[in-house]
Amino acid sequence: DVKVTQSSRYLVKRTGEKVFLECVQDMDHENMFWYRQDPGLGLRLIYFSYDVKMKEKGDIPEGYSVSREKKERFSLILESASTNQTSMYLCASSWGRGNSPLHFGNGTRLTVT
Amino acid sequence: QKEVEQNSGPLSVPEGAIASLNCTYSDRGSQSFFWYRQYSGKSPELIMFIYSNGDKEDGRFTAQLNKASQYVSLLIRDSQPSDSATYLCALSGGANNLFFGTGTRLTVIP
Repeated sequence: DVKVTQSSRYLVKRTGEKVFLECVQDMDHENMFWYRQDPGLGLRLIYFSYDVKMKEKGDIPEGYSVSREKKERFSLILESASTNQTSMYLCASSWGRGNSPLHFGNGTRLTVT
Repeated sequence: QKEVEQNSGPLSVPEGAIASLNCTYSDRGSQSFFWYRQYSGKSPELIMFIYSNGDKEDGRFTAQLNKASQYVSLLIRDSQPSDSATYLCALSGGANNLFFGTGTRLTVIP
């Protein structure tokens, strides 16, 4: 079974802090993704990566950056956390080019106060 | 931007009934379609995927795809209280990512 592991289940941070969310997958998947999920808005793609050191902006990249130094690890960085970034963050991975299902981690519920 | 529309519900069905969940989409070029189940406070888990027109069955679940009419549906037979969750429809975005609907909340009443 594919395992996607997010480093924290719950995080509480203060406004202005730099926040790192880590994600590791163990299936040698090429593609990795960061989504956020908010009530009524569904899943929104922040960034994705289809190869080491490659990154692509999703629908809502503002206020976020990502890093993929190794194939199995994809990090989401909030440069200066704000209260409107309070959300559930979901990491996912998939293999190949197109037509592949995403496998999700357990999620990180981030609260910014 | 690919549009994926789902009725947010809640959809309530009695235990043992068939639950029917529907999804429409705007992009005729979409090739792959996925159904995810998400329990409250948990992450989405893949139930089924379908690429071709017609039906695909897996246990109590059947996915139906009609590309001409641009809809995909999920039928759950013999619904159980444990099926109570939010069901997300997703389609391939071409650049290896998926576009998700906002989900339909299903409640199965014992």
